[in-house]
Amino acid sequence: DVKVTQSSRYLVKRTGEKVFLECVQDMDHENMFWYRQDPGLGLRLIYFSYDVKMKEKGDIPEGYSVSREKKERFSLILESASTNQTSMYLCASSLSGATGNSPLHFGNGTRLTVT
Amino acid sequence: AQSVTQPDIHITVSEGASLELRCNYSYGATPYLFWYVQSPGQGLQLLLKYFSGDTLVQGIKGFEAEFKRSQSSFNLRKPSVHWSDAAEYFCAVGSGYSTLTFGKGTMLLVSP
Repeated sequence: DVKVTQSSRYLVKRTGEKVFLECVQDMDHENMFWYRQDPGLGLRLIYFSYDVKMKEKGDIPEGYSVSREKKERFSLILESASTNQTSMYLCASSLSGATGNSPLHFGNGTRLTVT
Repeated sequence: AQSVTQPDIHITVSEGASLELRCNYSYGATPYLFWYVQSPGQGLQLLLKYFSGDTLVQGIKGFEAEFKRSQSSFNLRKPSVHWSDAAEYFCAVGSGYSTLTFGKGTMLLVSP
């Protein structure tokens, strides 16, 4: 069965800290994504990657960066966490090909609180 | 640019009653359409998808959805709701040229 694993379910960080959110998939998928989910705003795409070392900005990339050194792992980095980055973060992956026509497989999410 | 509207933020349905969740999309060509469900504390799970062909698609957990091009809609239905269906439901649209765009979700509450 398809599995996307996010390393932390809950995370509490202080303002200004550098934060790493890790995501691993075991399906040999080419595409990986980071979304942010906030009440009333739905899911918003932060960054995605269609291959190792490749990355593309999504709709809200400001304040975030990503790293994909290996096919199975996609990391989201908050260089200097701020309180407005308190949110639920969802990682997803999909098969190769166009990123808009392949079903996404999601992890269970990381709820990040920045104080 | 593509967009998705889910007009209902919350819906309450009695257990055993039928359900219809609305989804309207905006996209110039034939879209790829998806419905996902999110149970509390979980990630999103794919319920069903429409790519082409038969406009009535069947999904998991007894759900179905109908693509109506003339109305730019892809409404989700279930004939008889169970208490375990209480969750948040997301409609999404994609294409071969862009990533998925999600609606803001509809929270389904099931009353006894």
